[in-house]
Amino acid sequence: DGGITQSPKYLFRKEGQNVTLSCEQNLNHDAMYWYRQDPGQGLRLIYYSQIVNDFQKGDIAEGYSVSREKKESFPLTVTSAQKNPTAFYLCASSRAGTNTEAFFGQGTRLTVV
Amino acid sequence: RKEVEQDPGPFNVPEGATVAFNCTYSNSASQSFFWYRQDCRKEPKLLMSVYSSGNEDGRFTAQLNRASQYISLLIRDSKLSDSATYLCVVTEGSNYQLIWGAGTKLIIKP
Repeated sequence: DGGITQSPKYLFRKEGQNVTLSCEQNLNHDAMYWYRQDPGQGLRLIYYSQIVNDFQKGDIAEGYSVSREKKESFPLTVTSAQKNPTAFYLCASSRAGTNTEAFFGQGTRLTVV
Repeated sequence: RKEVEQDPGPFNVPEGATVAFNCTYSNSASQSFFWYRQDCRKEPKLLMSVYSSGNEDGRFTAQLNRASQYISLLIRDSKLSDSATYLCVVTEGSNYQLIWGAGTKLIIKP
């Protein structure tokens, strides 16, 4: 079955450490997105990519980095520069340049300990 | 002004009642519109697309009003399982960028 997979589901990080969240999709989608969601809040866009080897900053990119070396993969690194990284991180994909909906992974819940 | 606005709620509604949500958007050139449902601590999932002519899926009806720049979602005969947060999203720009509302929380009470 086609879908989008995030791992791990839960992640604990010590302060000062970088961590990388995985996002893989086999839907053949060109566009991929990373969102952050805090309790009781909406989705905030961190980074997005419309095509391989290209990506753009979203509204809250500071302290995060991404890469898009393969169409299927869009990993997100939460760096030590992100001052408040504890949140629910959601990866999504969609067909670029069309009016189709986005599909989400199950999310990664990151906690700084 | 936020690009996509929703009443955050929560809406507390008795089981069996009809409930309606509105979502306003600021960009008159927005191309497409969707309603998503998000359960607590889960990912958002598509509930339905919103077409210009309006569309219905069982107990759910979605409508688009381009002149007033809002979309609506109507839930009839609400069930306990309808309790969730409902997110509206519009696309805009040459890249069909997704613009998300913050969501409306719905609580159905027995």
